[in-house]
Amino acid sequence: AQRVTQPEKLLSVFKGAPVELKCNYSYSGSPELFWYVQYSRQRLQLLLRHISRESIKGFTADLNKGETSFHLKKPFAQEEDSAMYYCALVIIFGKGTRLHILP
Amino acid sequence: DAGVIQSPRHEVTEMGQEVTLRCKPISGHDYLFWYRQTMMRGLELLIYFNNNVPIDDSGMPEDRFSAKMPNASFSTLKIQPSEPRDSAVYFCASSLRTGGDEQFFGPGTRLTVL
Repeated sequence: AQRVTQPEKLLSVFKGAPVELKCNYSYSGSPELFWYVQYSRQRLQLLLRHISRESIKGFTADLNKGETSFHLKKPFAQEEDSAMYYCALVIIFGKGTRLHILP
Repeated sequence: DAGVIQSPRHEVTEMGQEVTLRCKPISGHDYLFWYRQTMMRGLELLIYFNNNVPIDDSGMPEDRFSAKMPNASFSTLKIQPSEPRDSAVYFCASSLRTGGDEQFFGPGTRLTVL
C-alpha cells in the first residue's frame, strides 16, 4: 500500500540553523513526490517536486530510493519558514510537520 | 483566475443536520480532489474525480458521506447526518492531471458539528 510518513509533528529550530523535515514513503513503483506548504492564513501550495530538482525559497529535497526518503532541507532557517509542511506521494499525503522557527 | 473556490468558508451545524460543501475547480483542470484535515490524522484523501467521474472513493469514511460532480465546474461533498467527529477542515483541490502535476488547493471549509 502507498504510504507517506512524516515522523515529526512539530519541529522547532532556531533562526539561522539548518532545517531538515523528514519524509519516508512506501511505494513499489517509481515514486512522484512533492512537498506542499501551508503558511498561516494561506492556502496549501506546492513548494517543490522531485522531478524538477529545483530549489525553492532555499529549500531542496533529494529522492533517496534506497532509503525510500524525500527529506526537505534548508541550510539556514528564516522566521518566514514557519509553516505546516506536507510530503505527498502524488495524492497521498503525510500527516504533516509544523515547523516553528525560533528567533 | 480566482483559483479553486470553496463555499462556505465556515459552517457550524448541529449533530444530525445535513451539511453540503461546495467546490469550483480551476477551469480546464480534469481532476478534482476532496481532502479532510484534522490534527490527529493530517490531510486525508476522501475521493477524487477525473472528468466528472468518481475514480476512487475508498477514503470516504462512511455512507454518511457522499460526493458528486455534475459538471466540470462544480462539485459537492455532503454529510448526512453530520456528527461531532466530522468536525474538520475540508479542502478541495484540482489539477490538470494526476501524476506529476501540481494540485491547486482551495481555501478550505472549516466545519464544526456541535
